[in-house]
Order: sequence, then C-alpha cells, then structure tokens
Amino acid sequence: DQQVKQNSPSLSVQEGRISILNCDYTNSMFDYFLWYKKYPAEGPTFLISISSIKDKNEDGRFTVFLNKSAKHLSLHIVPSQPGDSAVYFCAASRRQGAQKLVFGQGTRLTINP
Amino acid sequence: DSGVTQTPKHLITATGQRVTLRCSPRSGDLSVYWYQQSLDQGLQFLIQYYNGEERAKGNILERFSAQQFPDLHSELNLSSLELGDSALYFCASSPRQQNTGELFFGEGSRLTVL
Repeated sequence: DQQVKQNSPSLSVQEGRISILNCDYTNSMFDYFLWYKKYPAEGPTFLISISSIKDKNEDGRFTVFLNKSAKHLSLHIVPSQPGDSAVYFCAASRRQGAQKLVFGQGTRLTINP
Repeated sequence: DSGVTQTPKHLITATGQRVTLRCSPRSGDLSVYWYQQSLDQGLQFLIQYYNGEERAKGNILERFSAQQFPDLHSELNLSSLELGDSALYFCASSPRQQNTGELFFGEGSRLTVL
C-alpha cells in the first residue's frame, strides 16, 4: 500500500522556467509534509515542509502547496537552476504517535541549460 | 555534510551471509532512524531508536535487527541475506524523540547481495 505517491518518475525543465513536482497521499491522518532533495552518492537533505494547517509555505525559490481535500501537494521551483537537478522525494508524517516519515518514490528533475 | 556517518559505503556479499551496517548520528542527536531504498523505490522506514531504546518499527524483516549503543551510534544487522536485500540503507538522526520529521541523513550504505 503506497500511502505517498509521486506519479512522475522524471521531469525535464528548461533553466529559468518553473518546475512543478507533484505528490499525492492517501492517509488522511498525515498532518505534516516535507520535500527532500537527493544528489547522487549523497543522502537526502531536507528542503521545505508544510503543516496541514497551512496551504502554502514559501522559502526563497521554493514553494510548497497543500490541497488537503484532494490529498495533494506540490513543490514549485522558480526560477529553476541547473543545481536543482536532483531526485526530489515527497514525505508525510503524523505529529502524534510514531514518528516515521513515509516517502514517495521520488521524481528525478533535470534542468536543461 | 549532514554530520551523520555511515560505514561501510559499499558492501558486496553472498546470499546467506550476515552483515552489519554502522551509523554515527550527528553530535547531540538522540534519535536514529534506519531506512531502506530498493531500486526505483522510495525510502522505506525500518526502525527508530531513541537514546538506546527502540521507539518505532516499520516493515523490518525478522532477519534484520538493530540496536543503539550508549555512545548513541547504531548498528543494523542483516542476516540470511537474500538477493532482494540488495539496496541502499540510510541512517538518519534527529535531536528529539518526536519531531517535525526533519531528519539528517547519512550518505547511505549500498549493499549488493550476489
């Protein structure tokens, strides 16, 4: 049972344009959502998060949007830069109870010059 | 550099064997998490320790076990290895038992079972 899904294995975007990565979840008990970024041969690094009491969180070029009714979140990167090329993982958790992140399969983002 | 150290980085072994993966958390972090990433899959939560005690368990096989030592480093033991155990094993740490989910990951240990 894949509770967090990233349906696009890969995405290619031109430098300077907007990158939009999508994530869907099925468990309505999730109340905290995160995006991690992973470069080859490195571990995932935290990028941005959002609580279920918000519908948007912005940090520089990165914005995460949460649509609770649709159980959908997205990460917007604008403008996209070559250094943004990486695998992006969406993750979800419940603040109460066992603290374990549930990850999506990841989306490989390639920014083309 | 996340501050989390994992050894070995790469390990090749045969089916039926046993291996131990080691993790040193960031200085001061009491929680250690283990995750498994198989080919083209997301990270699957295995187990969490906090200050030496098991706190949460995921889909960890009975052939796998872990522990956290008094110096807070952790070891993941994988026994009776099967081909399907080939994966990247990540360790992550955080300062508290319960947190917002922001974890600091090591670079991973790549296990290949032949």
